[in-house]
Amino acid sequence: QKEVEQNSGPLSVPEGAIASLNCTYSDRGSQSFFWYRQYSGKSPELIMSIYSNGDKEDGRFTAQLNKASQYVSLLIRDSQPSDSATYLCAVINSGNEKLTFGTGTRLTIIP
Amino acid sequence: EPEVTQTPSHQVTQMGQEVILRCVPISNHLYFYWYRQILGQKVEFLVSFYNNEISEKSEIFDDQFSVERPDGSNFTLKIRSTKLEDSAMYFCASSYVAGGGVTGELFFGEGSRLTVL
Repeated sequence: QKEVEQNSGPLSVPEGAIASLNCTYSDRGSQSFFWYRQYSGKSPELIMSIYSNGDKEDGRFTAQLNKASQYVSLLIRDSQPSDSATYLCAVINSGNEKLTFGTGTRLTIIP
Repeated sequence: EPEVTQTPSHQVTQMGQEVILRCVPISNHLYFYWYRQILGQKVEFLVSFYNNEISEKSEIFDDQFSVERPDGSNFTLKIRSTKLEDSAMYFCASSYVAGGGVTGELFFGEGSRLTVL
C-alpha cells in the first residue's frame, strides 16, 4: 500500500506567525506532489503543486520537496485566521494516475 | 470561473436502494474522478475516467459501483444497492491533460452527501 502520512494535528499557530505542515510518502518513485486546502464541510481546493526538489513559492505559501527523504512540506507565512482549515498532502504514485491523499493536518490560526 | 457542479447536494436513501450521483465537469477537462470522504476520514479515490472508459479504480469500487458519461457533459456515479457504510460525501473532480497524462491538479465539486439509513 502506497501511503501518504501527515500529522493530523490540530496545529495551532498565532496570527502572523509561520505555519509549517509536513508530509511523508512511501513510494520512492512518486514524481508529483500537491497541497490542497479543505475548509470544514467543503471540498478540497488546490493550493500548490511541486515536482522538483527544492522550494516553490507562491505568495504566502512555500512548498518544499525532498525526494531523498520522501518528504514534502508547506509553509504559510504571515498566517491569517482565514488560513484555518485542514491541509491535505497528495501524491501521484509511480505507475498509476490516481491522486492519493493523506489524512490531512487541521490548522487553527489564533487571532 | 468554470466550476464542477454536483447534484444532489444531499441524498437520503434506504439501505438496498439504488442511488445516482451526478456531476458536470469543467467543459475542457478530459479526466474525471470520483472520490469519497467518510465523515472525519481522509479523501479516498474511487475511480478515474478518461476517453469514455475507466482508467483506474480502487478496491472500494466494486461491482455495485458504476460510472457513466451518458452525454457530452454529465458524469454519473451509480451505487446499485446501497449499504450503511456507503454513507459519505462523494466528490466529483475533473482535470485537464498535460504532456499526455494526468496532472494531479484536480478541480473538485462541492460534493454530494449520501446518507444511507
